[in-house]
Amino acid sequence: AQTVTQSQPEMSVQEAETVTLSCTYDTSENNYYLFWYKQPPSRQMILVIRQEAYKQQNATENRFSVNFQKAAKSFSLKISDSQLGDTAMYFCAFRMDSSYKLIFGSGTRLLVRP
Amino acid sequence: GAGVSQSPRYKVAKRGQDVALRCDPISGHVSLFWYQQALGQGPEFLTYFQNEAQLDKSGLPSDRFFAERPEGSVSTLKIQRTQQEDSAVYLCASSLFQGPRWEQYFGPGTRLTVT
Repeated sequence: AQTVTQSQPEMSVQEAETVTLSCTYDTSENNYYLFWYKQPPSRQMILVIRQEAYKQQNATENRFSVNFQKAAKSFSLKISDSQLGDTAMYFCAFRMDSSYKLIFGSGTRLLVRP
Repeated sequence: GAGVSQSPRYKVAKRGQDVALRCDPISGHVSLFWYQQALGQGPEFLTYFQNEAQLDKSGLPSDRFFAERPEGSVSTLKIQRTQQEDSAVYLCASSLFQGPRWEQYFGPGTRLTVT
């Protein structure tokens, strides 16, 4: 069975600084997708960034980038130039290529301090 | 366009009551998912619809949970004889098609509290 682990329950960063959220996963599959979702206090989950496992190049979306280490089964999220609006819960998620189910980690609560 | 909407946003039920939670997916989206998010946890898959067909209900925790999508658009998650352990946020998501290339768009959730 696939599992996703987020070992940092809470993180805090100063506005404009950079923060990295960690995620590890366990799977025997070779083809899969990894995601980072943001869940602000209003609770609507929003996709931040996605990575296809067959792509070696790390995905980037503006201030958000990932460090995907397939052999180590690690998928961290880097947020550059942190903004107050980045304050939210962040969930790492996994999805097999052959499946529709998203498997989520337990989340990291990020607080951006002014 | 409008996103995924869910109603009610908050529901308080006494133990033993039946509840019905509604999800309005994005218009035209074929796939619809229900997830359960316990306090302080990540969402967990409950069930999946492709149009009106419920293709996977492996995540439903007990036979008290029932979901339907009779016309392939609006979906209802029903919980019979609610228990305290049913307290959670119930999230609905929809995607245009089933494959992993298609993003799942989430609704705001319904927070169910069973007293």
